[in-house]
Amino acid sequence: TQLLEQSPQFLSIQEGENLTVYCNSSSVFSSLQWYRQEPGEGPVLLVTVVTGGEVKKLKRLTFQFGDARKDSSLHITAAQPGDTGLYLCAGTSGSRLTFGEGTQLTVNP
Amino acid sequence: DAGITQSPRHKVTETGTPVTLRCHQTENHRYMYWYRQDPGHGLRLIHYSYGVKDTDKGEVSDGYSVSRSKTEDFLLTLESATSSQTSVYFCAISRAGSSSGSPLHFGNGTRLTVT
Repeated sequence: TQLLEQSPQFLSIQEGENLTVYCNSSSVFSSLQWYRQEPGEGPVLLVTVVTGGEVKKLKRLTFQFGDARKDSSLHITAAQPGDTGLYLCAGTSGSRLTFGEGTQLTVNP
Repeated sequence: DAGITQSPRHKVTETGTPVTLRCHQTENHRYMYWYRQDPGHGLRLIHYSYGVKDTDKGEVSDGYSVSRSKTEDFLLTLESATSSQTSVYFCAISRAGSSSGSPLHFGNGTRLTVT
């Protein structure tokens, strides 16, 4: 069974702060996706990373795929209340896509 | 916004009754999935389809069946609902299979409560 562990599980910060959430596994993934989910809605894809060491930026969000393709991080700069949501990572290995349990982020104004 | 509609959005049912959830897509994507989302477990795959009448089991398929008679519709049936099947169910679609890293587009979920 491939497990993706996300940390922290919960994060509550003030507007303007920076934060990093992590997605770790003992398995190697051919690609890794990050999704954001808001209450009452389904997850929405933010980014896909496929190459070890790859860094992708989406406005204030920076995603990194580990060199060994076993882990990933999401860094948010100057968080805003609109960033509040559940952040999920999902890794592909073979034909299987495995989701982490998510990090619930709350950004307080 | 991918054209995915789940119905119903909310349902309360009694233990032992059959329940069918519907997923309808207008994107003509080949792959369709049913997931359940529970606290402490994240998203877990129940069943998926890789074409009309082509389906396969996911990691938590016991007690569930699916059917796909048309490209646009994927039905999830709980044959005899149990309280452990109380959950939020999400349908997702993708253009290609999971091995390609193709992104999933999710519906807005069905909240099912089994009393």
